[in-house]
Amino acid sequence: QKEVEQDPGPLSVPEGAIVSLNCTYSNSAFQYFMWYRQYSRKGPELLMYTYSSGNKEDGRFTAQVDKSSKYISLFIRDSQPSDSATYLCAMSDTNAGKSTFGDGTTLTVKP
Amino acid sequence: EAGVAQSPRYKIIEKRQSVAFWCNPISGHATLYWYQQILGQGPKLLIQFQNNGVVDDSQLPKDRFSAERLKGVDSTLKIQPAKLEDSAVYLCASSLRSYEQYFGPGTRLTVT
Repeated sequence: QKEVEQDPGPLSVPEGAIVSLNCTYSNSAFQYFMWYRQYSRKGPELLMYTYSSGNKEDGRFTAQVDKSSKYISLFIRDSQPSDSATYLCAMSDTNAGKSTFGDGTTLTVKP
Repeated sequence: EAGVAQSPRYKIIEKRQSVAFWCNPISGHATLYWYQQILGQGPKLLIQFQNNGVVDDSQLPKDRFSAERLKGVDSTLKIQPAKLEDSAVYLCASSLRSYEQYFGPGTRLTVT
């Protein structure tokens, strides 16, 4: 079993929809939770990170972490065609250690 | 601020040949990572450097893969000899903190 499991998708939604992307994990030592976006044939880019439990909002994006359930989510409000990409969750136990990535969920937002 | 640079962008080789990838991280970033990303999967860490030293190489197939980071800046990753299953995108990333990594565009390797 992988340390980080991500809903595989693919996910297709109409423009303006609210999107929910989810990951579960098994390592209770994880403290940092990140979401990366990867466009086709590009490297991942960091969207946002959260330390420990709680919510964090950045524009149309909201990250949630529930450590008690070992479950994290990324919500995208008012989704746009430009949000079409693969979204990767990643986790780390320290601010200097390695990050463990999920396998990504591919999202398509249709105009 | 310049991003992480990688070269080449694409490489096609035959199995049993050798190949090398180069990475130039963001200036001032002490930590450098090499990842392997197979189609449909997330990046898998191969090796992590902190300045010149190796922090984690537990998933590096050391019988065929090697990496070095000279003077704590540029890094090269080498595969010798390559196998078909090495076909993947090799990503280099750098960071000041593990939760904020900056990735290069990657090198797409095809082994035939």
